[in-house]
Amino acid sequence: DQQVKQNSPSLSVQEGRISILNCDYTNSMFDYFLWYKKYPAEGPTFLISISSIKDKNEDGRFTVFLNKSAKHLSLHIVPSQPGDSAVYFCAAERAQGGSEKLVFGKGTKLTVNP
Amino acid sequence: DGGITQSPKYLFRKEGQNVTLSCEQNLNHDAMYWYRQDPGQGLRLIYYSQIVNDFQKGDIAEGYSVSREKKESFPLTVTSAQKNPTAFYLCASTARLSYGYTFGSGTRLTVV
Repeated sequence: DQQVKQNSPSLSVQEGRISILNCDYTNSMFDYFLWYKKYPAEGPTFLISISSIKDKNEDGRFTVFLNKSAKHLSLHIVPSQPGDSAVYFCAAERAQGGSEKLVFGKGTKLTVNP
Repeated sequence: DGGITQSPKYLFRKEGQNVTLSCEQNLNHDAMYWYRQDPGQGLRLIYYSQIVNDFQKGDIAEGYSVSREKKESFPLTVTSAQKNPTAFYLCASTARLSYGYTFGSGTRLTVV
């Protein structure tokens, strides 16, 4: 049973436009959410995170929105750049009283066209 | 500079041979993890360890073994029992009570 779902395997956008990557989760005990970016043949790198006590976190061009009632989060990249082309993984954790084990979605491959 | 080192970057082995992938971290992190990435499958947890001399199976532990004799090291052995070992393997670590992982750069294992 997939607890973290990224239903879009791929997304293509034009340079300068907004990229919106979506993620849904089923476990209401998750209280911390992260986005990782991964280039081919490299390890994922941390991008941005959000605690369940917030509904928005912003870092430069990247903003993560959390809708707890819908168990949905999204990553907005504005403006998108060709260097943003990568696979983006959504991850969730039960940080309070949990096992410190991240649960990952299957990833969304973002392509930003020049 | 602190980080996680996985070696080698590329590894080729014959079918039926065991192979050990190295993962070393100097971040003083308590917990370490091994993931496997296959196309379209995302990151699947193989084994994890939250403390020295202790480890737990993840979602796809069959055909793999690990040890955690030192805090800095968490080697993964891919045994001949693993039916489809060709994949990209990622090691990660995290400090207890902190959030998120630091990943290594991965090892691409190809079994021929």
